[in-house]
Amino acid sequence: DTGVSQDPRHKITKRGQNVTFRCDPISEHNRLYWYRQTLGQGPEFLTYFQNEAQLEKSRLLSDRFSAERPKGSFSTLEIQRTEQGDSAMYLCASSGRTGGGYNEQFFGPGTRLTVL
Amino acid sequence: GENVEQHPSTLSVQEGDSAVIKCTYSDSASNYFPWYKQELGKRPQLIIDIRSNVGEKKDQRIAVTLNKTAKHFSLHITETQPEDSAVYFCAASISNYQLIWGAGTKLIIKP
Repeated sequence: DTGVSQDPRHKITKRGQNVTFRCDPISEHNRLYWYRQTLGQGPEFLTYFQNEAQLEKSRLLSDRFSAERPKGSFSTLEIQRTEQGDSAMYLCASSGRTGGGYNEQFFGPGTRLTVL
Repeated sequence: GENVEQHPSTLSVQEGDSAVIKCTYSDSASNYFPWYKQELGKRPQLIIDIRSNVGEKKDQRIAVTLNKTAKHFSLHITETQPEDSAVYFCAASISNYQLIWGAGTKLIIKP
């Protein structure tokens, strides 16, 4: 499968626990994005990487959230001390730059987080 | 920052009729406007996009128009089919960095 993959697909955790999600982008894509989507809403931007550099973070991303992309390939998103309000679908997307133009963001299947 | 508003939230049309979804954006620096389709429980998938140097783009039954002066853009689907039923999202960005999304339109195609 050459698309964006995410692991796990579902995560149920208790409030206060830490969770970590993984995203594997399309291999030649240098940009990687994290979004959060709650039921009935559009995705909200969280952060994005160009190669290994985290270039932008949303104000939605509290200090309990951290994201890494250590070698410019896969990325992890960690949420510490989870709260019930963190329950959502966490979507990862990647895009590649060709010919100096803009490119489509390809989305992964998402990780659905439920905080009890 | 950028803000995108999308209307209507739900749209019900008869199969074979046309559907139009409208979005407005606030940041005049935005220059890339994609439309995504999301079926229940699935990932968003790009169906069409438009850049600010173009006023209209068409791909078979789907078209998008952009009015930069008014800061709004619209999705037009003609000859709707049952498989068009889904939630449609518009988005705006500067150079395809972070996408700022609308709240979505649930499109229902009535047989």
